Amino acid sequence: AQSVSQHNHHVILSEAASLELGCNYSYGGTVNLFWYVQYPGQHLQLLLKYFSGDPLVKGIKGFEAEFIKSKFSFNLRKPSVQWSDTAEYFCAVNARNNNDMRFGAGTRLTVKP
Amino acid sequence: EAGVAQSPRYKIIEKRQSVAFWCNPISGHATLYWYQQILGQGPKLLIQFQNNGVVDDSQLPKDRFSAERLKGVDSTLKIQPAKLEDSAVYLCASSPLIARLEQFFGPGTRLTVL
Repeated sequence: AQSVSQHNHHVILSEAASLELGCNYSYGGTVNLFWYVQYPGQHLQLLLKYFSGDPLVKGIKGFEAEFIKSKFSFNLRKPSVQWSDTAEYFCAVNARNNNDMRFGAGTRLTVKP
Repeated sequence: EAGVAQSPRYKIIEKRQSVAFWCNPISGHATLYWYQQILGQGPKLLIQFQNNGVVDDSQLPKDRFSAERLKGVDSTLKIQPAKLEDSAVYLCASSPLIARLEQFFGPGTRLTVL
């Protein structure tokens, strides 16, 4: 079964700083990739997803992620974070030949105003 | 569009007691998932339904956990008897088809086992 690693447990940035959150997965087959976000007091919601095609995908609120197949990575980026981006971010992987969605442990992002 | 509904939002029980959680998915969504999210970890899939049939329950501790989805709509997840390590948030999600598409999550039920 596939597994997901998120390298950073807690990231603290100042507003306007650039963000990159790492995500690596282990699975030899074809995958679908997701980033979910959970704002304080809210439920999980989708930021962006990759199924096929252009490996650079754009999501809501200025976020983007790049799928690098050779590195089994799907890192999340944002050029300039805002205080409202404070949240927990989860990377998730779903193998195409099964329905098992695996989540990483999450990265807590704190943006200081 | 109404989201995924879950109840209760919070539950506190003592170990060895029983507890049940309820989920109402988004209307028309054929696939329903139950996840367990322990503090500091990502969600872990417990069981997945396609309509009222089980697609995957390989990570469900079947000696104490059970789930059903009668009529292919609402679902209940039960724990009997509960253990201390069951303290977690239980998330329900639904999607129109198998997980290739986005899963929509409910607010979760926070369970504390004392």
